[in-house]
Amino acid sequence: QSVLTQPPSASGTPGQRVTISCSGSSSNIGTNYVHWYQQLPGTAPSLLICRDNQRPSGVPDRFSGSKSGTSASLAISGLRSEDEADYYCAVWDESLRGRVFGGGTKLTVL
Amino acid sequence: QVQLVQSGAEVRKPGASVKVSCKASGYPFTDYYIHWVRQAPGQGLEWMGWINPRHGGTSYAQKFQGRVTMTRDTSISTAYMELSRLRSDETAVYYCASHYYDPSGDFDYWGQGTLVTVSS
Repeated sequence: QSVLTQPPSASGTPGQRVTISCSGSSSNIGTNYVHWYQQLPGTAPSLLICRDNQRPSGVPDRFSGSKSGTSASLAISGLRSEDEADYYCAVWDESLRGRVFGGGTKLTVL
Repeated sequence: QVQLVQSGAEVRKPGASVKVSCKASGYPFTDYYIHWVRQAPGQGLEWMGWINPRHGGTSYAQKFQGRVTMTRDTSISTAYMELSRLRSDETAVYYCASHYYDPSGDFDYWGQGTLVTVSS
């Protein structure tokens, strides 16, 4: 199992707001920045949120990130069909001295 | 523009080795670490390790210690990942990625992935 815990699935209807959680520990989320990736089928992951809550240029402001203690969340507002994808959280772990990923959350737009 | 371009798909038998390349362009190759991440079919992302292109220093995930070797050739801005003693459950897409996060400018790029199939 993954060091970071994400729900395996999430869903919503167009226009809704959904959140995806990522739970870790003091050696990873509690100490370092959390980053979020979107992965569309058959493609490489693409950076969605970096440094807990920063959107790279080109990422719509419908996507937002937050962190509190050893947990982080990704929120998507105004859900669109093109948001249907897998989402991963990632963070550096001081104990493992390596990058760790959440198990991924498959988002379905109903 | 920044690009990481990986070598093509490979097929290996169990017990064999595979070497995947990752050619960087559009930025100074020695400025940012190259990481390797793999993804088995239908599964999540798994970090394998990194190489510092400037001096060749490496750090590997404990799971791969003794079986993985990451190298680079600065003359052609290319990083390599070699995995030995392959098992059939290591069929996966192997990605190279480079990232550095700073308020003055974030850097996060991935290669297109290389499918390595391990099958007898």
